[in-house]
Amino acid sequence: DSGVTQTPKHLITATGQRVTLRCSPRSGDLSVYWYQQSLDQGLQFLIQYYNGEERAKGNILERFSAQQFPDLHSELNLSSLELGDSALYFCASSARQGSNTEAFFGQGTRLTVV
Amino acid sequence: GQNIDQPTEMTATEGAIVQINCTYQTSGFNGLFWYQQHAGEAPTFLSYNVLDGLEEKGRFSSFLSRSKGYSYLLLKELQMKDSASYLCAVGRGGGADGLTFGKGTHLIIQP
Repeated sequence: DSGVTQTPKHLITATGQRVTLRCSPRSGDLSVYWYQQSLDQGLQFLIQYYNGEERAKGNILERFSAQQFPDLHSELNLSSLELGDSALYFCASSARQGSNTEAFFGQGTRLTVV
Repeated sequence: GQNIDQPTEMTATEGAIVQINCTYQTSGFNGLFWYQQHAGEAPTFLSYNVLDGLEEKGRFSSFLSRSKGYSYLLLKELQMKDSASYLCAVGRGGGADGLTFGKGTHLIIQP
């Protein structure tokens, strides 16, 4: 158990809908990262927050947004869902900012868009 | 741009040694990571190299050559539980956080 908690574990929704994925980082970790993993693309970095502020952006679509709250949990919002958004979404946390820091991954949310 | 290459699949025998190679071409570099991921589970951290050379951690070792854009993960005394995907990832550096991952190498261990 990495100490990173993601909910829900599974989500099935229809095209055009909006969903929210939730992540609670390890106790004391200030950085939260979101990744998308699909079969053909592998793990893709989406976005990072550090202590409530957006720190870095990767390949995140404009239909997707995220935030980190004062209690350090984070939410990833996916809207106008398309079939191609079906993937495993991972949250990771680390104690510090900086890409030289070991990150601990949650168990992921498997999103299926039908 | 970001490009990380590793073999798609490898097969090895229980008790043997296997080397998984990774080559990278990235616009920034802040260290190279190896993660292990069992099917449907979260990636777990194995190793981190930022300087050239070999880092040893139990049955696993990782090597880095920054001038060649090359790393490898060496697994010794293979066990059946080592069957998993092994992900090579580069720290983006240059003030940009997050990791750029390769597509992973699926390692199959045979008895």
